Amino acid sequence: DIQMTQSPSSLSVSVGDRVTITCRASQSISSYLNWYQQKPGKAPNLLIYAASSVQSGVPSRFSGSGSGTDFTLTISSLQPEDFATYYCQQSYSIPWTFGQGTKVEMK
Amino acid sequence: QVQVQESGPGLVKPSQTLSLTCTVSGGIISSGAYYWSWIRQHPGKGLEWIGYIYYSGSTYYNPSLKSRVTMSVDTSKNQFSLNLSSVTAADTAVYYCVGSSGYANWIDPWGQGTLVTVSS
Repeated sequence: DIQMTQSPSSLSVSVGDRVTITCRASQSISSYLNWYQQKPGKAPNLLIYAASSVQSGVPSRFSGSGSGTDFTLTISSLQPEDFATYYCQQSYSIPWTFGQGTKVEMK
Repeated sequence: QVQVQESGPGLVKPSQTLSLTCTVSGGIISSGAYYWSWIRQHPGKGLEWIGYIYYSGSTYYNPSLKSRVTMSVDTSKNQFSLNLSSVTAADTAVYYCVGSSGYANWIDPWGQGTLVTVSS
């Protein structure tokens, strides 16, 4: 199985901060990397697909980059509604696997 | 806009079979546009992909669960289903049905999730 490792596991930030979350794959996954946001008690929501494409309806402050083994999710200016847990997911090979999650909390 | 919704028992006894159904609306399951998966999330934990089924009936299961998982599709009802046999408390989780599409198989839509508790 391809292991996905996110860092950090959690971070405390303030509204307006620039937030960067990284995801590393245990082997190359090309650009088969997707990002999701999950709020408490809710299903995850697709933010970024194929490493850098922003899903329709997702605010432009969200962006993704990377290829191969190293990927980044960036929130350019954190808004109150962005406090949540973020997951990366690889779809390069079966079984699809997720990172352990990064919880973005209020400082 | 395609939507999915889980249904099934919220409580299952140990050693029994967990059975869930997902109803697809806003689209036709046999269109071939999506792979239909089940994903679970243990309480307070991360996400685990269980497997997927295509409208044709072809399946891929997570090797970690493969011996206990069966998925099926009913195109006449626009539904797909999950059976997980010989459950234990470790199978207690929120179960999501989802659709994935595109060359990178991004997951969207997601169902709201259903909590299944394994307990006697």
